[in-house]
Amino acid sequence: EIVLTQSPGTLSLSPGERATLSCRASQSVSSSNLAWYQQKPGQAPRLLIYGASSRATGIPARFSGGGSGTDFTLTISRLEPEDSAVYYCQQYGASPLGTFGPGTKVDVK
Amino acid sequence: EVQLVESGGGLVQPGGSLRLSCAASGFTVSGKYMSWVRQASGKGLEWVSIIYSDDSTYYADSVKGRFTISRDNSKNTLFLQMNSLRAEDTAVYYCASNFPFDPWGQGALVTVSS
Repeated sequence: EIVLTQSPGTLSLSPGERATLSCRASQSVSSSNLAWYQQKPGQAPRLLIYGASSRATGIPARFSGGGSGTDFTLTISRLEPEDSAVYYCQQYGASPLGTFGPGTKVDVK
Repeated sequence: EVQLVESGGGLVQPGGSLRLSCAASGFTVSGKYMSWVRQASGKGLEWVSIIYSDDSTYYADSVKGRFTISRDNSKNTLFLQMNSLRAEDTAVYYCASNFPFDPWGQGALVTVSS
């Protein structure tokens, strides 16, 4: 069973700064099966990145994903206040299907 | 516009049943991967169930044997039948399309309490 861990738990940064979020898997994950989601308070999650590094439709270029094997990252190059949210990674290939990480809260102020 | 709208949430006693619906517009659920994901208040996301394009179904261990995912192509709607509900099933339930999940519905609150 694949378990995802995310770090840090919380990230507090200022507008314009760079955020680097980590997602580590307990065993190797196919890069084609790693996604990142953004969830703002009171809203449904939104797909940001799929296939570890491909941006979903309409996602700004300041969001980028990378990594392979067991270590993946989400980078937000220049934070904006509206980027305040919880970010979840997800693997969607191995059992249990659709496993999410615990999330990283990003606070931009 | 591609959209998913959940309904059917509410308050139910432990041991009771509830059926959630997820109506799709802008695309057809037939032949799509469709899923349910839940989120307890203040907690993270938990994948619950998926129905594949060939109608095979899979469940998280926490709901296996109690929940059933299905779809009605004529109504373009996804369902989640939840039986033998427990307090720990209390959550907002989201439906989502494709794999990875995009788009998502707005969520339906299920509260299991006496």
